[in-house]
Amino acid sequence: DQQVKQNSPSLSVQEGRISILNCDYTNSMFDYFLWYKKYPAEGPTFLISISSIKDKNEDGRFTVFLNKSAKHLSLHIVPSQPGDSAVYFCAASSSGGSYIPTFGRGTSLIVHP
Amino acid sequence: EAQVTQNPRYLITVTGKKLTVTCSQNMNHEYMSWYRQDPGLGLRQIYYSMNVEVTDKGDVPEGYKVSRKEKRNFPLILESPSPNQTSLYFCASSFLNSRAELFFGEGSRLTVL
Repeated sequence: DQQVKQNSPSLSVQEGRISILNCDYTNSMFDYFLWYKKYPAEGPTFLISISSIKDKNEDGRFTVFLNKSAKHLSLHIVPSQPGDSAVYFCAASSSGGSYIPTFGRGTSLIVHP
Repeated sequence: EAQVTQNPRYLITVTGKKLTVTCSQNMNHEYMSWYRQDPGLGLRQIYYSMNVEVTDKGDVPEGYKVSRKEKRNFPLILESPSPNQTSLYFCASSFLNSRAELFFGEGSRLTVL
């Protein structure tokens, strides 16, 4: 049973527009959430994170929003650039689980020039 | 340079021929883990280790073995590979009980004929 779900396998966006990647989780014990980015032929790399005590965290063009009541988080990329084309993995962890992350299945983002 | 190193990066082998994928990290991380990535299934955890001589099964451990004799190394062993183990494998490491992100290796693409 998936505890972290990314229901959109792929997303296509025009350069300069906003990309919104969504993630849902079922385990209410999760209190720390991360997004990883993966280019072909490379390992995933950490992108941005958010603690459950916050509802928003921003880093340049990337913003993660957390809605705890809905058990939902989203990653916003504004403006989207062709270099953002990659697979994005959502991950969730908890202090009770030693912060070992549980990953979603990923969303492939394609940003068209 | 902080890194997680996997070898080999690419391997084609035949059913039943034992192989080992090595993983080494130079960041003094307690936690190390192996994942496999398959189309549509995202990152699935195979085995993980919270410290030397401490290993545990992840979500898909069947057909794999691991060992953690030294803090820096965490090899993945396929005693008798089968075609359903054809996949892209990633090793990752991090500090334990912290919110530090996982560092991933560049991946090992394994094909079992």
